[in-house]
Amino acid sequence: DGGITQSPKYLFRKEGQNVTLSCEQNLNHDAMYWYRQDPGQGLRLIYYSQIVNDFQKGDIAEGYSVSREKKESFPLTVTSAQKNPTAFYLCASRETSGSRDEQFFGPGTRLTVL
Amino acid sequence: DQQVKQNSPSLSVQEGRISILNCDYTNSMFDYFLWYKKYPAEGPTFLISISSIKDKNEDGRFTVFLNKSAKHLSLHIVPSQPGDSAVYFCAANPRFSSARQLTFGSGTQLTVLP
Repeated sequence: DGGITQSPKYLFRKEGQNVTLSCEQNLNHDAMYWYRQDPGQGLRLIYYSQIVNDFQKGDIAEGYSVSREKKESFPLTVTSAQKNPTAFYLCASRETSGSRDEQFFGPGTRLTVL
Repeated sequence: DQQVKQNSPSLSVQEGRISILNCDYTNSMFDYFLWYKKYPAEGPTFLISISSIKDKNEDGRFTVFLNKSAKHLSLHIVPSQPGDSAVYFCAANPRFSSARQLTFGSGTQLTVLP
């Protein structure tokens, strides 16, 4: 089955610690994205990558870092510099074929910083 | 400045009736619009999309209407079913952006009452 996996589903960390969220896709998509969702708000773009070894900052990149060493993988590190890291994090990859242009989302990781 | 707005945070509809979810946008560079459905603690799933060259797109019980002059789109669900209860996000893609990053609205919680 093709899809996007994120792990873990729930993550707890102490304040001041860096933490890395995993995102893997086997859809053969070039572009991948990281979003953050806070209660009562839409999804906000953190980082995106259009191709391996390339990534760009989104609207709220401060306190986050990413890497894209493989097409299938786009891990997100939440650093201690992120002032309010507790949120629901969503990874997506993008399909473009014919007239379609859709992003497919993983199940998300809920990060709670204590 | 919210470029994509969903002004109704919640909507309740009786089973079998029509659900109408609304979305407004301010950026005239948006040329592709999508609706996503999201259950709690899960990633959004793609529902339906529309290109700015169209004013209507239909897929089964779901129809999206686009009014470019008013910068307004709406999602109609007919007939509504209890399983449709979820948060619905409107999203938009900008023209001339190779990354095609999505801008999301804040979502509307739809509750379909049996």
